[in-house]
Amino acid sequence: QVQLVQSGAEVKKPGASVKVSCKASGDAFTSNYMYWVRQAPGQGLEWMGRLNPSSGDANYAQKFQGRVTMTRDTSISTAYMELTRLRSDDTAVYYCAKGRSSGWCDYWGQGTLVTVSS
Amino acid sequence: QSALTQPRSVSGSPGQSVTISCTGTISDVGAYNYLSWYQQHPGKAPKVIIYDVSQRPSGVPDRFSGSKSGNTASLTISGLQAEDEADYYCCSYAGSYTFVFGTGTMVTV
Repeated sequence: QVQLVQSGAEVKKPGASVKVSCKASGDAFTSNYMYWVRQAPGQGLEWMGRLNPSSGDANYAQKFQGRVTMTRDTSISTAYMELTRLRSDDTAVYYCAKGRSSGWCDYWGQGTLVTVSS
Repeated sequence: QSALTQPRSVSGSPGQSVTISCTGTISDVGAYNYLSWYQQHPGKAPKVIIYDVSQRPSGVPDRFSGSKSGNTASLTISGLQAEDEADYYCCSYAGSYTFVFGTGTMVTV
């Protein structure tokens, strides 16, 4: 059974950066894609991007281009999502999810709350 | 890329059927069959219930079904049960290796 375990909650000041990790187990880390989705408090899901763990290639939503970087360390089966120049409206729960090339994700992490506040 | 449009809420009695629409454009929903649906209970991670427009992952009850016509996809829940009360989101491929979620629909039983 695939498990995705994310890093703990973070509190950041505006302008700072945050790096969330997502450690995978129970399956070949380099199979399928790793997606990142966020959800602001009381709001809907927002697609941020996806990473090909095998090649390291990533694709990002236009909204986050230039602010987000998705990487991985295959030696420890861990994916990372770094978001820079944080603003208060980046306050959200950030999820990693393992999914197929056609976009559907069958395994999700528990979510990481990132709070941006001065 | 704008979010796909879903009704804010739908409701039904136990045993009834409800249908949730997901409207996009010819550049996303209308162009591809990479359309999935997620169910999310409060405080929980989303769970996929439909993929590739109408396919159900293993373990998902056949009460959930999906379809698409033109730029609009639909999720139907038949034989509504109390545990179906949740938020539902559609998600479509939008080209250039990107995806977009719908605005979300709250289902009340």
